[in-house]
Amino acid sequence: GENVEQHPSTLSVQEGDSAVIKCTYSDSASNYFPWYKQELGKGPQLIIDIRSNVGEKKDQRIAVTLNKTAKHFSLHITETQPEDSAVYFCAASRLSYKLIFGSGTRLLVRP
Amino acid sequence: DGGITQSPKYLFRKEGQNVTLSCEQNLNHDAMYWYRQDPGQGLRLIYYSQIVNDFQKGDIAEGYSVSREKKESFPLTVTSAQKNPTAFYLCASRPPGLRSSTDTQYFGPGTRLTVL
Repeated sequence: GENVEQHPSTLSVQEGDSAVIKCTYSDSASNYFPWYKQELGKGPQLIIDIRSNVGEKKDQRIAVTLNKTAKHFSLHITETQPEDSAVYFCAASRLSYKLIFGSGTRLLVRP
Repeated sequence: DGGITQSPKYLFRKEGQNVTLSCEQNLNHDAMYWYRQDPGQGLRLIYYSQIVNDFQKGDIAEGYSVSREKKESFPLTVTSAQKNPTAFYLCASRPPGLRSSTDTQYFGPGTRLTVL
């Protein structure tokens, strides 16, 4: 069935460094790929998304890249700050009503 | 102030009791969802509803029930048949329409249910 694998499960970086989180999806018909940030005890918040007709999208310090051939997409955070520390989830969808989530990456930005 | 509200934030129940979690939205969204989140795991879909008076089972519907009598409300009941109900429950909604811009789901703050 549909599956999204996310790596790494934990990531620790020094403040100012870059962080990269990668996801691989199984359904080649997937066409929508959002990324969510979840802070402790709160609901996930959408931070960026990309569609299958685009290879890269950037929003300030955050960027997402998509490789449809390899069926993987990545989240890139540059100039990390302590407030970037959270759990990040990727997701994939081919039907507008259903998202398949990765297992999450706990990012720790050390001051 | 628009958004998705879930209440209560924390909920404690004794084993064998049914419990209902509230989810309300004033965003005029048609579709609503319930997810379960366990430590170290992603979000798993319990139920979803694309329109009033209609809902579908997700991947882990056993032991749960829902209703969708109003567009704004999508309550989730965790029944005594759910074998391991302790978890963080998240409600989400999606804007109406079939355009690509309506794929995004927006989440509420969640309810942490602990069954003693």
